[in-house]
Amino acid sequence: DTGVSQDPRHKITKRGQNVTFRCDPISEHNRLYWYRQTLGQGPEFLTYFQNEAQLEKSRLLSDRFSAERPKGSFSTLEIQRTEQGDSAMYLCASSAGPSNQPQHFGDGTRLSIL
Amino acid sequence: AQTVTQSQPEMSVQEAETVTLSCTYDTSESDYYLFWYKQPPSRQMILVIRQEAYKQQNATENRFSVNFQKAAKSFSLKISDSQLGDAAMYFCATTGGYQKVTFGTGTKLQVIP
Repeated sequence: DTGVSQDPRHKITKRGQNVTFRCDPISEHNRLYWYRQTLGQGPEFLTYFQNEAQLEKSRLLSDRFSAERPKGSFSTLEIQRTEQGDSAMYLCASSAGPSNQPQHFGDGTRLSIL
Repeated sequence: AQTVTQSQPEMSVQEAETVTLSCTYDTSESDYYLFWYKQPPSRQMILVIRQEAYKQQNATENRFSVNFQKAAKSFSLKISDSQLGDAAMYFCATTGGYQKVTFGTGTKLQVIP
């Protein structure tokens, strides 16, 4: 069990550019989650996958955001035409199944928009 | 819809003493779970303790225990024999439905040597 892995750890980009983050969950976990965390706040839910199906999306996830989990394993989160307000820590988590199973978090990707 | 409120932005405790972090929540789910997560500076979120709402018995994990008051929708965390390594942000959270976790705004715990 190598834990949840996220890449890159840090991303600095200019406003208007596109960015893509990757998350590799714990191998036997079928559920995968993306959260956004800004300074001084708790993580906010963005979206959730069960296997390859995206089952829920937050209203926070504007049309500039898209997430995929094509083979039910790793996931990508893409932000198009980045804005200053997108600067945040993007956290990925995975879990094995029902609601009583805890989510295991990755280290996160910190995005800074210049 | 779920909300979690942590009214203590910061707390401090002397090493080896006991501290209690407060949390209240609201949920429309009949079956839900409650968690406390710990996030050390620049490090990943780690589960500290969890409680199934249908269980009346308070969960304990070594030095960590909860006081779960379902009618009052209160879920406080008690840390006994505080250690320097306990210093971190602590997030109270609840989940239901698709297991989407709703977090509070966190309490920053400082442990004084």
